Amino acid sequence: DVKVTQSSRYLVKRTGEKVFLECVQDMDHENMFWYRQDPGLGLRLIYFSYDVKMKEKGDIPEGYSVSREKKERFSLILESASTNQTSMYLCASSFWTGGIGELFFGEGSRLTVL
Amino acid sequence: QKEVEQDPGPLSVPEGAIVSLNCTYSNSAFQYFMWYRQYSRKGPELLMYTYSSGNKEDGRFTAQVDKSSKYISLFIRDSQPSDSATYLCAMSAPNSGGSNYKLTFGKGTLLTVNP
Repeated sequence: DVKVTQSSRYLVKRTGEKVFLECVQDMDHENMFWYRQDPGLGLRLIYFSYDVKMKEKGDIPEGYSVSREKKERFSLILESASTNQTSMYLCASSFWTGGIGELFFGEGSRLTVL
Repeated sequence: QKEVEQDPGPLSVPEGAIVSLNCTYSNSAFQYFMWYRQYSRKGPELLMYTYSSGNKEDGRFTAQVDKSSKYISLFIRDSQPSDSATYLCAMSAPNSGGSNYKLTFGKGTLLTVNP
């Protein structure tokens, strides 16, 4: 079974802290994604990556950066956390054949910024 | 107009009921249509996908696409308490360069099936 593992299920950080969210997948997928999920707003794409060291902005990249040094690992970085970044963060990976969007998601990291 | 519209619910039905979940969309470039299911405190998982207009059946689940009306549906027959989850529609279209596809999600409908 494909497994996408997010390093932390629950985090509590203070405003201004630097936050790292780590994601590892074990199926050799080229594509990896970071989403945030908020009530009433649904899933919103932050950043994605189609290859190692490659990244592209999604719909809401402001306040975030990413790193993909190895194929299996995709990290989301909040340089200076703010309260409006309190959210559920979901990492996903896919082999993306011909447009069928079968994303495999991790269980999520719930971040609270105080 | 948002690209994908989905009624957030919540929708509450008795066990055994037929459930209908729907999404409308505005982007004619969408080619693939998917339904994801998300249980509480879990990530979404792909339930079904379709490419063309028409119906696709998988057990108790039927996905329906009407491209002329820009409308997709998911029907659940003989609903069970284990079907209680949030259901998200998703659609993909080629990106501007045509080299890859962008996936757009609906906001999800929360379904509760009561025993």
